[in-house]
Amino acid sequence: ETGVTQSPTHLIKTRGQQVTLRCSSQSGHNTVSWYQQALGQGPQFIFQYYREEENGRGNFPPRFSGLQFPNYSSELNVNALELDDSALYLCASSLDLFTEAFFGQGTRLTVV
Amino acid sequence: ELKVEQNPLFLSMQEGKNYTIYCNYSTTSDRLYWYRQDPGKSLESLFVLLSNGAVKQEGRLMASLDTKARLSTLHITAAVHDLSATYFCAVDGNSGYALNFGKGTSLLVTP
Repeated sequence: ETGVTQSPTHLIKTRGQQVTLRCSSQSGHNTVSWYQQALGQGPQFIFQYYREEENGRGNFPPRFSGLQFPNYSSELNVNALELDDSALYLCASSLDLFTEAFFGQGTRLTVV
Repeated sequence: ELKVEQNPLFLSMQEGKNYTIYCNYSTTSDRLYWYRQDPGKSLESLFVLLSNGAVKQEGRLMASLDTKARLSTLHITAAVHDLSATYFCAVDGNSGYALNFGKGTSLLVTP
């Protein structure tokens, strides 16, 4: 157990819909990163939030957006869902920048 | 762009045998991580390697890092079935935020 919790664990959405995934970071951690892991692939970095500000972004379109709240929990929002968005979405929290990331159990998103 | 390559991608080995998984990366990095992932599950941290020549061991797994060669290895000693999983290496490309993952090595240990 890493202390990083994600909700929901599973989700089915229809193409074109919007989805919000949530992540509660480990106590004391101020940095949250989100990753997308397609089936049979390694995780791909989406973006990172540090103290409520976006600190870096991977090669994902603007319809992937996020938030970090004052308690350092985070949301990942995806608009206009596409079939290829079906994946395991992983949240990772870190004590600070440049420190080890601890992963949550993930949210399995299926777009039909 | 930082590239991380693992090989082999698939590995079937008998219990009791030894084998090594390799992880090459394309640019300098201060940190290399090894993770284990069971089917449908999240990533479990195995090792964090922070300096050239670092070697860490946990049970039947040993990881090492050669930053000059940009190479890390994960050595499996006397494999047991419980080690069956997918193993990922990941490199922090000094950006401070993105971990760059390899494609993973799917390991199956058979009797």
